[in-house]
Amino acid sequence: AQKITQTQPGMFVQEKEAVTLDCTYDTSDPSYGLFWYKQPSSGEMIFLIYQGSYDQQNATEGRYSLNFQKARKSANLVISASQLGDSAMYFCAMRELTGANNLFFGTGTRLTVIP
Amino acid sequence: DADVTQTPRNRITKTGKRIMLECSQTKGHDRMYWYRQDPGLGLRLIYYSFDVKDINKGEISDGYSVSRQAQAKFSLSLESAIPNQTALYFCATSDSDRGVNTEAFFGQGTRLTVV
Repeated sequence: AQKITQTQPGMFVQEKEAVTLDCTYDTSDPSYGLFWYKQPSSGEMIFLIYQGSYDQQNATEGRYSLNFQKARKSANLVISASQLGDSAMYFCAMRELTGANNLFFGTGTRLTVIP
Repeated sequence: DADVTQTPRNRITKTGKRIMLECSQTKGHDRMYWYRQDPGLGLRLIYYSFDVKDINKGEISDGYSVSRQAQAKFSLSLESAIPNQTALYFCATSDSDRGVNTEAFFGQGTRLTVV
């Protein structure tokens, strides 16, 4: 079974609007971490935000926030006030405490910001 | 200088050739990883290493081998390249001491084309 599911291959958003990128995960481990990475057209992987399974509050980093709904096993990324530079691929990832503790990635969502 | 450096950045090789991708890091992390990225498939783990003497297969290790020459160096080899190994390859590192909340730090990627 897929550990991370991103159901939106592509998304469009108007500049200055907010956009939500969906991510659901599958784990039976009580301790895990959820991550979002951005990959611009240049190819590098840029870490954006982290949410721990025991964190009580949703993580925020500037214009990025993570809408963490533990019971639904979802960790959606919200980007507020979109900018043209936000156009990129976005990957959701998870690390579990047990096992090899590796980072598993979803298939990604390509976000296009429209001027 | 980048904390995680991959060489080469781009490579075109012929079917059947042996090729090595190299990765070095200055972050002092014990864990190193090789991922490949294919369109629509996200990042998939090829091999990972927890230290110089601990190397493990990931999801898609067939056709690949690795060598951890030192804590800071982790190389990926394709013994006999085939066209479906055409992909973007990433090396990554992480610090095992931080548990689930440790993000992975990525190199700039190597774009490999097998013709």
